Amino acid sequence: AQKVTQAQTEISVVEKEDVTLDCVYETRDTTYYLFWYKQPPSGELVFLIRRNSFDEQNEISGRYSWNFQKSTSSFNFTITASQVVDSAVYFCALRRSGYQKVTFGTGTKLQVIP
Amino acid sequence: DTGVSQDPRHKITKRGQNVTFRCDPISEHNRLYWYRQTLGQGPEFLTYFQNEAQLEKSRLLSDRFSAERPKGSFSTLEIQRTEQGDSAMYLCASSDAGGGYTDTQYFGPGTRLTVL
Repeated sequence: AQKVTQAQTEISVVEKEDVTLDCVYETRDTTYYLFWYKQPPSGELVFLIRRNSFDEQNEISGRYSWNFQKSTSSFNFTITASQVVDSAVYFCALRRSGYQKVTFGTGTKLQVIP
Repeated sequence: DTGVSQDPRHKITKRGQNVTFRCDPISEHNRLYWYRQTLGQGPEFLTYFQNEAQLEKSRLLSDRFSAERPKGSFSTLEIQRTEQGDSAMYLCASSDAGGGYTDTQYFGPGTRLTVL
C-alpha cells in the first residue's frame, strides 16, 4: 500500500523567513512519481513539481526548492524568503508507475505573516 | 489554453436528493479523474477514465455514485440519495496519456457539496 505522511499540520512563519515542508512516503515499488501541489484558499489544487523515482537530482525553481532522498523516503519542499502569497495548504503526493491513482498526504497549512 | 472547469462550484441539497456534477477537462486531455476531499484531508481518488472507458474505481465509490464520460470529453458524477457524509469537495483532474510530464494531473476548482 502507498502512504504519504506530512507530519506538520500547520506552520506559521514571518514573511521573508525560509520554511521547509516535510514529506515522507511509503511504497514497495521501485518506480514511482512524487508530486507537490498547492491549494490556496480559493480551493484549486495547483501543480508545483513532479519527480521520478529514478531521478534524485534536487531542483530549484525561483524561491522553491525540492530535496528528494530515496534513502530516507523523503521529498521535502523549501520556500526561501517566504511571502504572504505563499499562504496555502501544500500537499505531497505519490503515484505508482503504471497506475493513475494519486495518493495524497493530509497537507501542511502554511501561514505567512506579514 | 483553458484549465479544467467544473460546474456548479457550490451545491446545497437536502438528504435523499440526487445531485450531478460536470467536469470539462483541458482540451485534448484523454484522461479524466474524480477525487473527493473532506475538510482537513487530502484528496482521495474515486475513479478515472481514459477516453470513454472507466478503467479504475475506488472502493470509496459506493453504489450510489456513478460517473460517466460518454464521448470522451466532459464527465459527469452523479450521487443518488445523498447522505450527510457525502458533504465534501469533489475535484476533477485531467491529464494527457502521452507520457512523461504530460501525464501529470491538473485539477479543476472543485464542486463543494453540502448535504443538509
